[in-house]
Amino acid sequence: GQQLNQSPQSMFIQEGEDVSMNCTSSSIFNTWLWYKQDPGEGPVLLIALYKAGELTSNGRLTAQFGITRKDSFLNISASIPSDVGIYFCAGLHAGGTSYGKLTFGQGTILTVHP
Amino acid sequence: DGGITQSPKYLFRKEGQNVTLSCEQNLNHDAMYWYRQDPGQGLRLIYYSQIVNDFQKGDIAEGYSVSREKKESFPLTVTSAQKNPTAFYLCASSINNVQETQYFGPGTRLLVL
Repeated sequence: GQQLNQSPQSMFIQEGEDVSMNCTSSSIFNTWLWYKQDPGEGPVLLIALYKAGELTSNGRLTAQFGITRKDSFLNISASIPSDVGIYFCAGLHAGGTSYGKLTFGQGTILTVHP
Repeated sequence: DGGITQSPKYLFRKEGQNVTLSCEQNLNHDAMYWYRQDPGQGLRLIYYSQIVNDFQKGDIAEGYSVSREKKESFPLTVTSAQKNPTAFYLCASSINNVQETQYFGPGTRLLVL
């Protein structure tokens, strides 16, 4: 199966800094999802994006659905220690043999130093 | 409380053994999924079921089997044919086939002795 290219793979930041991560693909997607996974737990949905160009916020989190429908980014402002975890993007394929399938990025491991 | 439960949290398997991972949901969701997670990789789909008594292979079904006899339950069996079973296994469920509504369970970590 296809995978999304998510970057960076890991980030080490100081508390209070802003964070940005993104996902790109050669495929077109109908929906972009961003999840956070705490250690030893299942992912939890943070933000869902349904339209090209859409910009959506959830507290300190902001995500955008790229105009080309092939990419998305997630920003976290003023990071705090509890932001630590793995962040995944996932895209719902818009066509081809993968139509309707959900593909996940490799994840970005975020570490926040107090 | 509504949600998805997976058991056990940790599971040890000897070489050549089959083991079964449990997944139960009380969300009244029609669709259920099994994913495998390895370090540095995204979640990869093993099997999914859109309705009771029906299931489909995902991207990495070889060495795994499932059943869906009840709406609430979707157990995954890791067979001896799966040569590299050590991983974190995640179960999810969703409303009908609306995959963006997937809720994930807490996961089971399988280790081979």
